[in-house]
Amino acid sequence: QKEVEQNSGPLSVPEGAIASLNCTYSDRGSQSFFWYRQYSGKSPELIMFIYSNGDKEDGRFTAQLNKASQYVSLLIRDSQPSDSATYLCAVQFYGQNFVFGPGTRLSVLP
Amino acid sequence: NAGVTQTPKFQVLKTGQSMTLQCAQDMNHNSMYWYRQDPGMGLRLIYYSASEGTTDKGEVPNGYNVSRLNKREFSLRLESAAPSQTSVYFCASSESSWGYTFGSGTRLTVV
Repeated sequence: QKEVEQNSGPLSVPEGAIASLNCTYSDRGSQSFFWYRQYSGKSPELIMFIYSNGDKEDGRFTAQLNKASQYVSLLIRDSQPSDSATYLCAVQFYGQNFVFGPGTRLSVLP
Repeated sequence: NAGVTQTPKFQVLKTGQSMTLQCAQDMNHNSMYWYRQDPGMGLRLIYYSASEGTTDKGEVPNGYNVSRLNKREFSLRLESAAPSQTSVYFCASSESSWGYTFGSGTRLTVV
């Protein structure tokens, strides 16, 4: 059984700070790692993906992957109140469906 | 706008009633999915269709059936609704190993 774990939160950070969201997964053979943002009452939307060990940056977002530790994280720099949402980690083993974590609720305080 | 369209957005059913949730995508994606989302449990896969003409069970298929009508459409049917099926249902589509595009969701309450 493939599992994806996230701290449910809420994670509260002040405006302008760095928010760090973490995700661990059970399947060492996992290949693809995605982060989705879900506003309350809305559907998930893809914000980043990463396939290789290391960091991947896209604007204020940085995804970090460490396959040896089975750990993927999402950093949000200069956090804004509009970043307040639930962030879902999704992990895919090659050729198989994604397994989603339960999500971490982020609250950015003005 | 291109994307995934789900209907209805809201539905209240009585226990034992049946209904079909409709989903259509216009991105020419091969794969389509039905998920349910419950508080604290994340998204759980009900059924998926890797390509037109194929369907497979996901993590929580009991009480549901699906039909991949054509490449665009993938419907989810509840034959005899139960209160345990109260949830938010999302349809999604994808191409290869790219991420999913989700529909806006159906909020279903079974009383």
